[in-house]
Amino acid sequence: SQTIHQWPATLVQPVGSPLSLECTVEGTSNPNLYWYRQAAGRGLQLLFYSVGIGQISSEVPQNLSASRPQDRQFILSSKKLLLSDSGFYLCFLLDRLNTEAFFGQGTRLTVV
Amino acid sequence: AQSVTQPDIHITVSEGASLELRCNYSYGATPYLFWYVQSPGQGLQLLLKYFSGDTLVQGIKGFEAEFKRSQSSFNLRKPSVHWSDAAEYFCAVTRAGTALIFGKGTTLSVSS
Repeated sequence: SQTIHQWPATLVQPVGSPLSLECTVEGTSNPNLYWYRQAAGRGLQLLFYSVGIGQISSEVPQNLSASRPQDRQFILSSKKLLLSDSGFYLCFLLDRLNTEAFFGQGTRLTVV
Repeated sequence: AQSVTQPDIHITVSEGASLELRCNYSYGATPYLFWYVQSPGQGLQLLLKYFSGDTLVQGIKGFEAEFKRSQSSFNLRKPSVHWSDAAEYFCAVTRAGTALIFGKGTTLSVSS
């Protein structure tokens, strides 16, 4: 069965520091992968999605970037964090072949 | 543009009463449809999904949803609500290779 590994679970980073969040999946090939952010008291904001290696679509212009260096790896990065980057970051997998769609456990990021 | 609407921001239901949460979408083709639930401070859990086939979908925790193409709806139902069902519920739609779009969520409160 498919699984998503997302780490760390919580992260506290100073303003201006870099960020790298990694999402890896198992048990599937060529999934669609997504990064979402949920700010406190707000809905889910789609940040990036990827339909394959090296293919990234950005939904919201900001100081974040994403990469997909391998089929089962999706990375969210920032060179310099802002206070407004605080939130709950969720990786999401859509496996069309097996009709599965679910979230990782998420990373709660606090920028101080 | 594709969109998802959850018309009810907040619903209160008595314990033991029936529940229906509404979800309407605007999409150029029949999408994949999902309902997720999020308890406070937690990640998102998949309740049920529709990819194709039978339009009445059974999910976990006694939930079901019905895809109605003519109404562009995918409403979530439960015949008897339990206090533990109090949470936030999100409807989502996508097609292969496109962004997964979430509604803004409906907060369910359960009164005794």
